[in-house]
Order: sequence, then structure tokens, then C-alpha cells
Amino acid sequence: DGGITQSPKYLFRKEGQNVTLSCEQNLNHDAMYWYRQDPGQGLRLIYYSQIVNDFQKGDIAEGYSVSREKKESFPLTVTSAQKNPTAFYLCASSDTGQPQHFGDGTRLSIL
Amino acid sequence: QKEVEQNSGPLSVPEGAIASLNCTYSDRGSQSFFWYRQYSGKSPELIMFIYSNGDKEDGRFTAQLNKASQYVSLLIRDSQPSDSATYLCAVQPPFGEKLTFGTGTRLTIIP
Repeated sequence: DGGITQSPKYLFRKEGQNVTLSCEQNLNHDAMYWYRQDPGQGLRLIYYSQIVNDFQKGDIAEGYSVSREKKESFPLTVTSAQKNPTAFYLCASSDTGQPQHFGDGTRLSIL
Repeated sequence: QKEVEQNSGPLSVPEGAIASLNCTYSDRGSQSFFWYRQYSGKSPELIMFIYSNGDKEDGRFTAQLNKASQYVSLLIRDSQPSDSATYLCAVQPPFGEKLTFGTGTRLTIIP
């Protein structure tokens, strides 16, 4: 089945630790996105990529890093510099000019 | 000033009635408009998108766009308990793939 797969579903981070969230899509979409959602708030864009080996910062990129080495993969690393990482992280993808579709999300909490 | 504004609700509507959700945006050049439904604890699901002024209907859902007044609305006819969710409005600027999301309206359908 075509879709966007995020893993893990739940993730816990220790103080000073970097963690990586996985996002894989088999829809052959060029563009991929990472959003963060906090309770009672809308989605805020962290990073996005419109082509392999290229990505741009979104509105809240500080404390996060990404890579886009393959078209189907766009992993997000939450670094220790992100002091308030607890949130629901959503990955999306889209064809050019088409609506974005989301994966099931990863919930990150601090231990 | 928020770029995309929605009434956070909660909006309560009797089963079988019409639910009306509204969204205003500040960028007059915005080109594309999306409505996502998000059940509690789940990721957003695209339900409607609209690019041109006027109405777009899909089953029980109608999206209405008025670019002169800078608002987009979503009507849900014959509301069902399964429509109870948070509805997110998203707006796309011209020449870009980035979406800006509102904070969402929580809708409750009362049986």
C-alpha cells in the first residue's frame, strides 16, 4: 500500500540526548515536510525539502536537523539544543502543487 | 497578527444539522486553501481543498472561498457523531509549497 510511514510511534528522550525520527514514503512525492504540534495549537513547520539533497528551514528549525539523501526518506533529528522537545511530530509529503498528506505521527516525550 | 485564524470552539451542533466552520487569512495573495480533519490523538486527514472563488462540494462537505473578504469556510451537512473532531484550515501562498495552519476548531456533534 502507498503511504507515509513514521517510526517510532512513541519516543522518549533523555537529557542531553539526540534522537532521530524516521519518515519514509513510497508515493514518489518530491516534497517532504516536518511539523510540530503542541496541545491546542496548529501545526508549525520545522523543515521541508522539495528535492533530494536540498532542504530549507521552516518557522521553528532551531534545535532540529534533517537530511534528504533519498527521495523516499526524510529523517528528523531532535538535538539536545532543543530544550522543549515534547510534542507530536508529523511528517507530510506532496507532489508539486498538490495537497500534503500526513503520516501517523511520532509522540516525543522527555524522560 | 496571526496569519490564519480560526475560532477554537468548541462548536457544538446537533446531529443532522449543518456545521459551519470559518477561517480567515491575512495574505491577500494566497492561492490554495485546505481543510484537514484531526481526530484526538491522530494525524490530520485532508478532506477538502479549494483554489477558486465560490463553492466546491464533495458529498456532505462544501468548501466556500471568498478571496475579496479573505475567508474560507467549511460546511458539513447532515452532521454525524463521527464528524466530531478538530478541523484545521491551511493556506498556501503563491509560488510556494509551504502551508500555514490555523490552530483549529473543535467540533462536537451532539446525538
